[in-house]
Amino acid sequence: KQEVTQIPAALSVPEGENLVLNCSFTDSAIYNLQWFRQDPGKGLTSLLLIQSSQREQTSGRLNASLDKSSGRSTLYIAASQPGDSATYLCAVQLLQGAQKLVFGQGTRLTINP
Amino acid sequence: EAQVTQNPRYLITVTGKKLTVTCSQNMNHEYMSWYRQDPGLGLRQIYYSMNVEVTDKGDVPEGYKVSRKEKRNFPLILESPSPNQTSLYFCASASGRLAGDNEQFFGPGTRLTVL
Repeated sequence: KQEVTQIPAALSVPEGENLVLNCSFTDSAIYNLQWFRQDPGKGLTSLLLIQSSQREQTSGRLNASLDKSSGRSTLYIAASQPGDSATYLCAVQLLQGAQKLVFGQGTRLTINP
Repeated sequence: EAQVTQNPRYLITVTGKKLTVTCSQNMNHEYMSWYRQDPGLGLRQIYYSMNVEVTDKGDVPEGYKVSRKEKRNFPLILESPSPNQTSLYFCASASGRLAGDNEQFFGPGTRLTVL
């Protein structure tokens, strides 16, 4: 059974710092991995998607990497801003069957001005 | 604009009163699914649909029903809601074909409270 773990559960950093959020998964048979942002009580905003054949994707100040063989992904946020404060979720899409997303518990990020 | 819409966004109801949460997508996606999000448990899949008239159970289907009569719509039905179904619900859609990135798009969520 696929399990996704995100560490740390919460992170608080001063504005302007570069930071890395971690995601690990137990089964490398994935189709893709998505990173989402969720503001309190709100919906999920897709940030980046990495297909299983790719190593990384970039969007603005965000860079996501994928090492499928070791079951790890990282989300790098450069020059953090208070507006980046949110919960970040990673999810892997299964290759077979339901094609469902299996989510991690998320990292709650706070950027202090 | 490509989007997934859900209605209602907020709902307070009482135990046993049947309700339906609607979900609609305008991207001609084949695949649609429902998730619920609970503190400490994360997001879990309730039901999914690979295409019209094709639905199947996810991880937590008990107490829920779905139907897929049209490609764009995938309503979630609670025949007899109970307090343990108080949660934040998300509908999602994707092309469904394992070609291309198959990115999943999520609706804005429905916050349901069952008293």
